[in-house]
Amino acid sequence: DADVTQTPRNRITKTGKRIMLECSQTKGHDRMYWYRQDPGLGLRLIYYSFDVKDINKGEISDGYSVSRQAQAKFSLSLESAIPNQTALYFCATSESGGANQPQHFGDGTRLSIL
Amino acid sequence: GDSVTQMEGPVTLSEEAFLTINCTYTATGYPSLFWYVQYPGEGLQLLLKATKADDKGSNKGFEATYRKETTSFHLEKGSVQVSDSAVYFCALSDSMGGTSYGKLTFGQGTILTVHP
Repeated sequence: DADVTQTPRNRITKTGKRIMLECSQTKGHDRMYWYRQDPGLGLRLIYYSFDVKDINKGEISDGYSVSRQAQAKFSLSLESAIPNQTALYFCATSESGGANQPQHFGDGTRLSIL
Repeated sequence: GDSVTQMEGPVTLSEEAFLTINCTYTATGYPSLFWYVQYPGEGLQLLLKATKADDKGSNKGFEATYRKETTSFHLEKGSVQVSDSAVYFCALSDSMGGTSYGKLTFGQGTILTVHP
């Protein structure tokens, strides 16, 4: 079983709909992250959480919200989806303890907004 | 703010050719540096890392050396294989403390295709 699981893997929806992407992990890591990937732009950080009570905005948080329901679960919501939110979304986790801790990624959710 | 710049792609090589993917960075403090690889349909996987100046990270025949004087972390492999075809991302993790501690900043990615 994957250590970082994202659901759904693919989603097509319409403009204005509310969407939730879910992430769960079995690695026991405190830190969790949501990124979006667009061609030619690499990965950009949307939100991150260093523990259940600590949630922070990343560089592109407008139009998104998150919920850290437990240490193992971190969900991303698009309250009213728009076409330019069409992208590949990744969840990641890492241990606490310093800048040299690598991040561990799920396989991504491909989201298309029509 | 922190930033990472990778060489433009895509890069197309024949099997057994030498690979270099350039990466330079801008950061305050003393970041840790990473290379991640993304195979088709999958998430990113850590390929190698270096945490201080002059450190060399290595894995699966790939190497990269943390060069503080040139703010670079170029990825190299002496003989690529078809199975190395993937997207490669250079990234840095800030080290200044506070609430941003440990966040990754990524380059734009370089697509590598290796032909038999």
